[in-house]
Amino acid sequence: AQSVTQLDSQVPVFEEAPVELRCNYSSSVSVYLFWYVQYPNQGLQLLLKYLSGSTLVKGINGFEAEFNKSQTSFHLRKPSVHISDTAEYFCAVSDKAAGNKLTFGGGTRVLVKP
Amino acid sequence: DVKVTQSSRYLVKRTGEKVFLECVQDMDHENMFWYRQDPGLGLRLIYFSYDVKMKEKGDIPEGYSVSREKKERFSLILESASTNQTSMYLCASSSQTGGKYEQYFGPGTRLTVT
Repeated sequence: AQSVTQLDSQVPVFEEAPVELRCNYSSSVSVYLFWYVQYPNQGLQLLLKYLSGSTLVKGINGFEAEFNKSQTSFHLRKPSVHISDTAEYFCAVSDKAAGNKLTFGGGTRVLVKP
Repeated sequence: DVKVTQSSRYLVKRTGEKVFLECVQDMDHENMFWYRQDPGLGLRLIYFSYDVKMKEKGDIPEGYSVSREKKERFSLILESASTNQTSMYLCASSSQTGGKYEQYFGPGTRLTVT
């Protein structure tokens, strides 16, 4: 069974500084990879996804992620964060054979400080 | 835009009560999912459905059942609520066609069992 590890449960960061959120998954088979964001008191919203092709994926709100097959990682980055990026971020993985079934990591809470 | 709605944002129930959580999606998606979200554990899949009247157990189905009588509606049932079912419950839907794979989430229902 798949497992997804988000190495940091909380990441404090100052406004306009860069941020990286780490995500590693267990399976070596072909996968689809996703990052979701959850703002306070809301559901999850898709930030970006990797299905195939270029390993560098750009998403909404200036976020990007890089798929590294050899390290089974899919780290999320943003070069300059805003106060409005304060949220919880979830990495999710789907085995291509499992179709739409997702396995989520434990989440990383980002707190952007002024 | 895909819209997934959940019947309640907040719900308080007593131990032993039967609880119904309703989810409706308006994009004719084949797949629907129920998750529970707990701090540090991310989202865990309770049940999912690939078609009307079809259901499959997820990772933590114990104490829950589901019903899908119509394509747009997926209900989660707690037959006899217990305090350890106090959690945030999220519904999601996705399409089996178009190669998109991502899931669309509702706003969540925060259930407290006393």
